Amino acid sequence: DAKTTQPPSMDCAEGRAANLPCNHSTISGNEYVYWYRQIHSQGPQYIIHGLKNNETNEMASLIITEDRKSSTLILPHATLRDTAVYYCIVRGNYGQNFVFGPGTRLSVLP
Amino acid sequence: DAGITQSPRYKITETGRQVTLMCHQTWSHSYMFWYRQDLGHGLRLIYYSAAADITDKGEVPDGYVVSRSKTENFPLTLESATRSQTSVYFCASSETTHTEAFFGQGTRLTVV
Repeated sequence: DAKTTQPPSMDCAEGRAANLPCNHSTISGNEYVYWYRQIHSQGPQYIIHGLKNNETNEMASLIITEDRKSSTLILPHATLRDTAVYYCIVRGNYGQNFVFGPGTRLSVLP
Repeated sequence: DAGITQSPRYKITETGRQVTLMCHQTWSHSYMFWYRQDLGHGLRLIYYSAAADITDKGEVPDGYVVSRSKTENFPLTLESATRSQTSVYFCASSETTHTEAFFGQGTRLTVV
């Protein structure tokens, strides 16, 4: 599975959009991009995933560049409860597990 | 209730004792995983299972044993607990290799 690179930390004002970038320049054609978050020491929470098309659900939007070498997770209206560590993970169709990196610590500020 | 549950949530055990952490999922997902999370190391895979009776090692399997006699259960056993196994343990399951995994709430294990 391809390696991902994320900034270690970001701040966002409450009510504004939070845009979290992820670089996955070695991604291959059958690998999906997943986003999870972890609040305090709770279990990681699934947010969204995609292959090459942009995806949206009730939590967030995922924008994947045309060359698939990077993606952005967008939380459209960040709240204080969105403060968490966000993980970008690349997993292939035959990838047996999710490999977690250090993630991005997002702080939503009042 | 549907979902994935871990038990116990908290456990204190003594060095050298055997301890089993339980994981149960109600979706009949094929894949199940055990991770441990330590400060400074993030989440690391211990073992995973692709189906009943099929298990494989992850990144940090030493000192752990798993079994999967039923699809819905994936217990993790520490045969002789050591202080270095003090950690938070997370179990997860996913339906296939290209669907999301759902995580339990974790078991906080302290070995004294």
